[in-house]
Amino acid sequence: IAGITQAPTSQILAAGRRMTLRCTQDMRHNAMYWYRQDLGLGLRLIHYSNTAGTTGKGEVPDGYSVSRANTDDFPLTLASAVPSQTSVYFCASSDKASGGTDTQYFGPGTRLTVL
Amino acid sequence: GQNIDQPTEMTATEGAIVQINCTYQTSGFNGLFWYQQHAGEAPTFLSYNVLDGLEEKGRFSSFLSRSKGYSYLLLKELQMKDSASYLCAVMDSNYQLIWGAGTKLIIKP
Repeated sequence: IAGITQAPTSQILAAGRRMTLRCTQDMRHNAMYWYRQDLGLGLRLIHYSNTAGTTGKGEVPDGYSVSRANTDDFPLTLASAVPSQTSVYFCASSDKASGGTDTQYFGPGTRLTVL
Repeated sequence: GQNIDQPTEMTATEGAIVQINCTYQTSGFNGLFWYQQHAGEAPTFLSYNVLDGLEEKGRFSSFLSRSKGYSYLLLKELQMKDSASYLCAVMDSNYQLIWGAGTKLIIKP
């Protein structure tokens, strides 16, 4: 089934631990994104990648890192989790180069709680 | 700074029509998107406007006025399944999406 998958679905993590959120898409989209969504706030961009091998910082990148070794995978790593990183994390992808609308399609999300 | 404003919550009756407004101030404009997000789920794409005017797609329509920095999403013949949050997002000059906080729409029988 075409789309975006994220893992895990939810996670409770002790502060200070390292955690990697996984994201895989099979739509061959060149661009991928990581957002966090907190109650009362809009989606905020953490990091993005316009094409395999490149990444960029979004609005709230501190405490997070990403890599884009291939087209399909875009993992997000929290090196040392803090309670303020408790959030719902969404991965998205878009076909940026086609000249179309660059619509972003979202994965189901990972609910992360840092204690 | 960049800013997207939309009402926090709206209530409407099943079968009626509701209009959700969005105003924006961004550095550049490369299109405006509306997404629907049911509780506990991912946002899903509804509509895209880049030119002024009305785009109609079934029961949903989206309007854009670039000179006024204004858009609305119009939902007709409301159904209970339309209860969700509706997110307005603008693509800025760097081709990044700037998101509003979303409007929670409550449909009553």
